[in-house]
Amino acid sequence: GAGVSQSPRYKVAKRGQDVALRCDPISGHVSLFWYQQALGQGPEFLTYFQNEAQLDKSGLPSDRFFAERPEGSVSTLKIQRTQQEDSAVYLCASSQTSGRETQYFGPGTRLLVL
Amino acid sequence: AQTVTQSQPEMSVQEAETVTLSCTYDTSESDYYLFWYKQPPSRQMILVIRQEAYKQQNATENRFSVNFQKAAKSFSLKISDSQLGDAAMYFCAYKDPNTGNQFYFGTGTSLTVIP
Repeated sequence: GAGVSQSPRYKVAKRGQDVALRCDPISGHVSLFWYQQALGQGPEFLTYFQNEAQLDKSGLPSDRFFAERPEGSVSTLKIQRTQQEDSAVYLCASSQTSGRETQYFGPGTRLLVL
Repeated sequence: AQTVTQSQPEMSVQEAETVTLSCTYDTSESDYYLFWYKQPPSRQMILVIRQEAYKQQNATENRFSVNFQKAAKSFSLKISDSQLGDAAMYFCAYKDPNTGNQFYFGTGTSLTVIP
């Protein structure tokens, strides 16, 4: 594809609801990353996939956060029982491989938990 | 853990003038990568410029250039002939290709371009 796409762009959830955020990486990109960006802050790493394998999930803030990439392309970040502190922009990025490659970012999903 | 510091929360520049955004980082590695990303209000992060630590020559991309001081762990971005479209948040990022895959970002600098 032309770039990384994410959906929805905006999501409002009531506290306690489950949400699912989708990321479509650039076609052929092996590596996929999720970041959380709080208001006025830089993005912070959540998790990383190489193809379908989740190789690093050290940044996930709690066990309510779950990510998957079952076929090595599209990825979904799921947040269960959302809390107000989960309100943030969730950014997805992809790169051709890992290591030395530049990451290309999607437009993000802005999540607001009321 | 690696840390990236951007000490200028906000900067402004007159159109057509030059501005320099500061970034420092902390690492014990010798091989790493540094990036500047631009994030306009639409929130799409766009790569501005990239620098490999093993290269002594400073990276340049058209009106954008960096001043990479490895010993000082400093990586500043210079924007020449500033344009209205340069207005955005600018993030400095560090990446260690050997021990991790994620980027470490600074807190950003909001750049305003004054017509």
